[in-house]
Amino acid sequence: EVQLVQPGAEVKKPGESLKISCKGSGYSFTKYWIAWVRQMPGKGLEWMGIIYPGDSDKRYSPSFQGQVTISADKSISTAYLQWSSLKASDTAMYYCARGVVTDIYWHFDLWGRGTLVTVSS
Amino acid sequence: EIVMTQSPATLSVSPGERATLSCRASQDISSNLAWYQQKPGQAPRLLIYGASTRATGIPARFSGSGSGTEFTLTISSLQSEDFSVYYCQQYSHWPSFGQGTRLQIK
Repeated sequence: EVQLVQPGAEVKKPGESLKISCKGSGYSFTKYWIAWVRQMPGKGLEWMGIIYPGDSDKRYSPSFQGQVTISADKSISTAYLQWSSLKASDTAMYYCARGVVTDIYWHFDLWGRGTLVTVSS
Repeated sequence: EIVMTQSPATLSVSPGERATLSCRASQDISSNLAWYQQKPGQAPRLLIYGASTRATGIPARFSGSGSGTEFTLTISSLQSEDFSVYYCQQYSHWPSFGQGTRLQIK
């Protein structure tokens, strides 16, 4: 089965670090981009950034540049999103999604179920 | 940044009727537009890409149209499972999503 698997939830305190994962299976992981998308409680979708696991080429939305780090380990077909110091405002659902490129940019044809990150003291 | 504006914010339609959702781009995006459906507690699902191409497994009652700055998603005969939130997304430049249209039962 073609899928992206994410952990269900993480609970952290402000100031703590966090790295969440997205494991692809059922397809050639190195041949598709993997994006991260944020959805704050009751809100819409925000594209954060994207990585090409084949060579770790990555792009960030200007809104998230410097706030998070995207990485990938192609040997285990897993992409990551990490924070060095969480804030309460990082509380949200985070989805990974497979990016299909058209010309230069991407739409997203396969989504993980999301990781709910809760940051609270 | 390309801003995507969806209308209406909420649409009330009876089962079996047609629903028409709109999406406008702040600048010309050609046909670089996708539509997604998100049900409560679930991840988004790709419905349409290239403004009018249905994704794999998407029923024929879903259709997309438009180019440039004006786009439409039409659901020809609403089924109970279609009542959810719909997002458009442009990929002519850095990806951006509309704010969503909630389709609810009338």
